[in-house]
Amino acid sequence: LAKTTQPISMDSYEGQEVNITCSHNNIATNDYITWYQQFPSQGPRFIIQGYKTKVTNEVASLFIPADRKSSTLSLPRVSLSDTAVYYCLGYQAGTALIFGKGTTLSVSS
Amino acid sequence: DAMVIQNPRYQVTQFGKPVTLSCSQTLNHNVMYWYQQKSSQAPKLLFHYYDKDFNNEADTPDNFQSRRPNTSFCFLDIRSPGLGDAAMYLCAIGQGPQETQYFGPGTRLLVL
Repeated sequence: LAKTTQPISMDSYEGQEVNITCSHNNIATNDYITWYQQFPSQGPRFIIQGYKTKVTNEVASLFIPADRKSSTLSLPRVSLSDTAVYYCLGYQAGTALIFGKGTTLSVSS
Repeated sequence: DAMVIQNPRYQVTQFGKPVTLSCSQTLNHNVMYWYQQKSSQAPKLLFHYYDKDFNNEADTPDNFQSRRPNTSFCFLDIRSPGLGDAAMYLCAIGQGPQETQYFGPGTRLLVL
């Protein structure tokens, strides 16, 4: 089981870049690193997934060092609507998502 | 269009009165999951079905059971709800190990 650790909360202002780092010291060799976003009273939503180096999509970038013991989710130019909880996830037996405590990101104007 | 549909969105039940929450999907994904999320906490996996194979988490109370009569539908049965079972219940679907999971909007359960 891949246990993840990430900051409980972060604050930012509109237009800034936000980087949220997650540690996953005992990640399995075959496990991907996955991040989800959750707004209040909604189900979590997939943001990005990667295995190594860097992955970028229209929403975020994910940076993974060579040892894969941590990862950093980068949100470029955040807006008020990016206020949410962000989860770095590990997998159990390669099938089910195990949520850590998540990082509550608060974006102010 | 919604891929994961959960009904009802809000459910009120009485202490000890059995309740069933339902989930359906439009994508025919192999895996269906049930998570419990209490206020200000992360979602906690209760169990999942990989096709017809049921996988129960070790710490899921016996009070919680699930049925998957076909690929599209999955039900969460709470046999005797207690006050501590009040939570948001999230259904999710996926195609297999480490594939993207799609979550429904959740059913918020209130136990009186």
